Amino acid sequence: TQTVSQSDAHVTVFEGDSVELRCNYSYGGSIYLSWYIQHHGRGLQFLLKYYSGNPVVQGVNGFEAEFSKSDSSFHLRKASVHWSDSAVYFCAVSATSGSWQLIFGSGTQLTVMP
Amino acid sequence: AQTIHQWPVAEIKAVGSPLSLGCTIKGKSSPNLYWYWQATGGTLQQLFYSITVGQVESVVQLNLSASRPKDDQFILSTEKLLLSHSGFYLCAWSLDRSNTEVFFGKGTRLTVV
Repeated sequence: TQTVSQSDAHVTVFEGDSVELRCNYSYGGSIYLSWYIQHHGRGLQFLLKYYSGNPVVQGVNGFEAEFSKSDSSFHLRKASVHWSDSAVYFCAVSATSGSWQLIFGSGTQLTVMP
Repeated sequence: AQTIHQWPVAEIKAVGSPLSLGCTIKGKSSPNLYWYWQATGGTLQQLFYSITVGQVESVVQLNLSASRPKDDQFILSTEKLLLSHSGFYLCAWSLDRSNTEVFFGKGTRLTVV
């Protein structure tokens, strides 16, 4: 069974700060990992994904994420946040074979203060 | 460019009444289609997926059903709504099996009273 854990329900930072949103997963097989952003009351937008290769992947709007097999993690980072980055961020995992299910974490609400 | 359109934007329905939510994808042939449900302030739960016309697979049982009558259309329905059906319903599509880059519609807010 695949599980995704986002330990921080809320993160608050100031504009210009760096931020890291944490994601840990549990799965025994080969997986894809991804991050999505959801602004209030709207659908989700894809940020970035990882399957293999360079463990640091670049996404849109200056976001990057780093995969760690030893820690079973896929944390999302941004060096300098803007107020418009305030949103809910979801980590997701899917298996490379078998189920067609995309499993989401519980989400982290990022609030960027001016 | 591909577009995904969901309707209606919002619904307020009575317990026990029927429901039909729709989703249309334009600009992409034979997409994989998905329905997700999100409780207020909660995570997303995948409900159904469809790889081809006429074929729909259920992921969880929530007294809902889904159909894919056309390549670009995905319908979510039930004959009898429950209070627990309230939430945000998202239709989505992806190109391939990897399922990592999924494109979401703007969603339908359903309130069951």
